[in-house]
Amino acid sequence: QVQLVESGGDVVQPGRSLRLSCAASGFTFSSYAIHWVRQAPGKGLEWVAVISYDGSNKYYADSVKGRFTISRDNSKNTLYLQMNSLRVEDTAVYYCARDPARPYMVRGVIIDPTHHYFDYWGQGTLVTVSS
Amino acid sequence: QSALTQPASVSGSPGQSITISCTGTSSDVGGYNHVSWYQQHPGKAPKLMIYDVNKRPSGVSNRFSGSKSGNTASLTISGLQAEDEADYYCSSYTSSSTVLFGGGTKLTVL
Repeated sequence: QVQLVESGGDVVQPGRSLRLSCAASGFTFSSYAIHWVRQAPGKGLEWVAVISYDGSNKYYADSVKGRFTISRDNSKNTLYLQMNSLRVEDTAVYYCARDPARPYMVRGVIIDPTHHYFDYWGQGTLVTVSS
Repeated sequence: QSALTQPASVSGSPGQSITISCTGTSSDVGGYNHVSWYQQHPGKAPKLMIYDVNKRPSGVSNRFSGSKSGNTASLTISGLQAEDEADYYCSSYTSSSTVLFGGGTKLTVL
């Protein structure tokens, strides 16, 4: 069965850094794009970033661009989120979520479709930024 | 980018139908058939209910349906049940290759 397990959440001071991990199992990790989505306490969902199946394409929300970096290690079936220059407003539960759209081949060319929804989610890891 | 606009709350009685709207712009909801809906119960991870405007993942009840007109997408839940009480979020692909969520709608089953 598909499983995504986040870890690395902690209490950190503003301006510090933190790295989150998302361990995947139960599917071919290297075939799927993966997203990070966060949810501040008592608030709604906010999309953070996505990385393509092979790590070649990455997109970020404006609120984290330049501070957060998404990456993956397909040999370890693990997704990462490096968070630098953390702010109080980054306090949230961070979820990793799989995008079900897989790349496909057309006349020998690999096409990576748009990535825009999430079929499996982890349980989330809490990041608290506070002095 | 601003979040997509959803009503803060909706309510209905068991057996009734309700509709939740999700309004964006031509750069997101109106520009692509890539609108999704998620159900979230307290303390739980979100669950995919509708994708690509009106497609239902396997295992999701056919009481849930989606549609879109212009820059506004809608989620309709028919035959309301107590277990449908939850928060609902829409999301859309955007022209920047990013994803935008709505602010969320709290559904109360009376």
